Amino acid sequence: ETGVTQTPRHLVMGMTNKKSLKCEQHLGHNAMYWYKQSAKKPLELMFVYSLEERVENNSVPSRFSPECPNSSHLFLHLHTLQPEDSALYLCASSQDSGLAGGEQYFGPGTRLTVT
Amino acid sequence: QKEVEQNSGPLSVPEGAIASLNCTYSDRGSQSFFWYRQYSGKSPELIMFIYSNGDKEDGRFTAQLNKASQYVSLLIRDSQPSDSATYLCAVNTGFQKLVFGTGTRLLVSP
Repeated sequence: ETGVTQTPRHLVMGMTNKKSLKCEQHLGHNAMYWYKQSAKKPLELMFVYSLEERVENNSVPSRFSPECPNSSHLFLHLHTLQPEDSALYLCASSQDSGLAGGEQYFGPGTRLTVT
Repeated sequence: QKEVEQNSGPLSVPEGAIASLNCTYSDRGSQSFFWYRQYSGKSPELIMFIYSNGDKEDGRFTAQLNKASQYVSLLIRDSQPSDSATYLCAVNTGFQKLVFGTGTRLLVSP
């Protein structure tokens, strides 16, 4: 595997379900991110982890719960979601080092549909 | 509110022409600027970044930055149909935090 991988690629879940999204980066980076992409809206930053510590929580509802067990893996735990949470969820990684830290590389995304 | 503004398009250019994509940002303290390309149904792909005022060239792509005017642009020379995609401008507003524009859709016709 190379780059940033995400599983599953597609997920359909009911509002009462609990599911998890997984992200793995093979780039040796030390920062990882969750973004939400909805139609007609800019990419929305949800969470940032740097050196496995959460450094940003962009006012995300508590029904989204991130977990970063190590610098290569990132999870997003989902529970009691709403239909408006249907979107493309993207994971990204970067090397935390000044200006160059902005070079974020994205995974293929998980297309989530909440019914 | 830190914002990044882009014209949503579509910007239509014929094959072989120069495509010019523009972006303005509101946070004067922004330090670094990025262009991503996103094909329909795919994730964003980093194509250029620029930190200093002026031009930066990479193959057919040139990024231009004017911090005084808070303006970033991307020029694509010799546009190809395979360049048809949405181009996202992103601005680093501090500590790894990228703020994205809504993107400009580019259509290159053969």
